[in-house]
Amino acid sequence: NAGVTQTPKFQVLKTGQSMTLQCAQDMNHEYMSWYRQDPGMGLRLIHYSVGAGITDQGEVPNGYNVSRSTTEDFPLRLLSAAPSQTSVYFCASSYRYGGGEAKLFFGSGTQLSVL
Amino acid sequence: QKEVEQDPGPLSVPEGAIVSLNCTYSNSAFQYFMWYRQYSRKGPELLMYTYSSGNKEDGRFTAQVDKSSKYISLFIRDSQPSDSATYLCATRVGGSQGNLIFGKGTKLSVKP
Repeated sequence: NAGVTQTPKFQVLKTGQSMTLQCAQDMNHEYMSWYRQDPGMGLRLIHYSVGAGITDQGEVPNGYNVSRSTTEDFPLRLLSAAPSQTSVYFCASSYRYGGGEAKLFFGSGTQLSVL
Repeated sequence: QKEVEQDPGPLSVPEGAIVSLNCTYSNSAFQYFMWYRQYSRKGPELLMYTYSSGNKEDGRFTAQVDKSSKYISLFIRDSQPSDSATYLCATRVGGSQGNLIFGKGTKLSVKP
């Protein structure tokens, strides 16, 4: 099992460009989520999904779009990149949403710089 | 006030020391408490999980929750250089609300 796979690992964008961060998991997990991690701010939830076709906003959703057409994939789209979106992005998945031990499996992250 | 507060450190200790990492939280509805460990340039991984109050021990690691004071602790005994990482506390309410709320993380360095 590969677990949670994120691509690319590094990306540099110019202000106003759009791009998609890819996330795939092979554990048949129901729950998937995107976090951004900034110095001094910790991990903040951007968007999450509790199953194919179902998504919802987290703490910092503005400027990002998600969709979940399959159980395995949960891409994160930056609509018009801004320097404030410079961050490290983590995708995470869990076998279920809510109740009991919420063990999140994280990908290795995407380091994004917006110039 | 953020719902989970954690001193970011950094914290530097000599090898073999006992390490104490702490978080406080504000919402008394939180029931599940976790500690994640994150090595440099890696994603976090679950280290310890505790439900409600009490202690949980796993090898050199002990997680402690005091709900009366809304305090979460992680103790590392006989610390090793391989324990050098950022430690994030996390919590969430019970029921169907499954999203975790993370502390900012404490960066720990264990010197040989």
